[in-house]
Amino acid sequence: ELKVEQNPLFLSMQEGKNYTIYCNYSTTSDRLYWYRQDPGKSLESLFVLLSNGAVKQEGRLMASLDTKARLSTLHITAAVHDLSATYFCAVGPPSGTYKYIFGTGTRLKVLA
Amino acid sequence: EAGVVQSPRYKIIEKKQPVAFWCNPISGHNTLYWYLQNLGQGPELLIRYENEEAVDDSQLPKDRFSAERLKGVDSTLKIQPAELGDSAVYLCASSLDMDAEAFFGQGTRLTVV
Repeated sequence: ELKVEQNPLFLSMQEGKNYTIYCNYSTTSDRLYWYRQDPGKSLESLFVLLSNGAVKQEGRLMASLDTKARLSTLHITAAVHDLSATYFCAVGPPSGTYKYIFGTGTRLKVLA
Repeated sequence: EAGVVQSPRYKIIEKKQPVAFWCNPISGHNTLYWYLQNLGQGPELLIRYENEEAVDDSQLPKDRFSAERLKGVDSTLKIQPAELGDSAVYLCASSLDMDAEAFFGQGTRLTVV
């Protein structure tokens, strides 16, 4: 069974600091997605990573994918308060299945 | 361009009553998903459609839940009868195909009392 784990579950950080959120998954997949969710809101797509070694950056966020290690990272550079949200990774379906699995989510709070 | 539209946004019903949710995906998106999200957790897939065909409904509790996507566009998700444990946010999402990123609707927050 495919499992997706994120670390940490909760993160409180000061503005201007850097930090990385980790997403580990348990089976072969080469498709990984990062989403952001604000309280009471729906999910907003941030990044789509479709191959080993893929790296994408948007503003202060950078995502990478290592399919051999079954690991994706979401790096935050010089955090600002507006980045406070819950971040989810989602793994695309392993070969032979059609099930997308979301991680547990990382609740990020950036303190001014 | 309009995003994924869901209705209603909120629904409160008594247990054992039926309830239905509606979803209009982004135009041209062949893949449609229904997810359930409990408070503080990630979304869990209930069912995925490719056009009008349900290609993965293994997580759908078929004794009380049903879904349809007529003509491969709009979709409805129904619960009958609702139970207290069904209280959650029901999210609809769509994508161009199974590899593309999914775009989510605002969700329907269901409260069963």
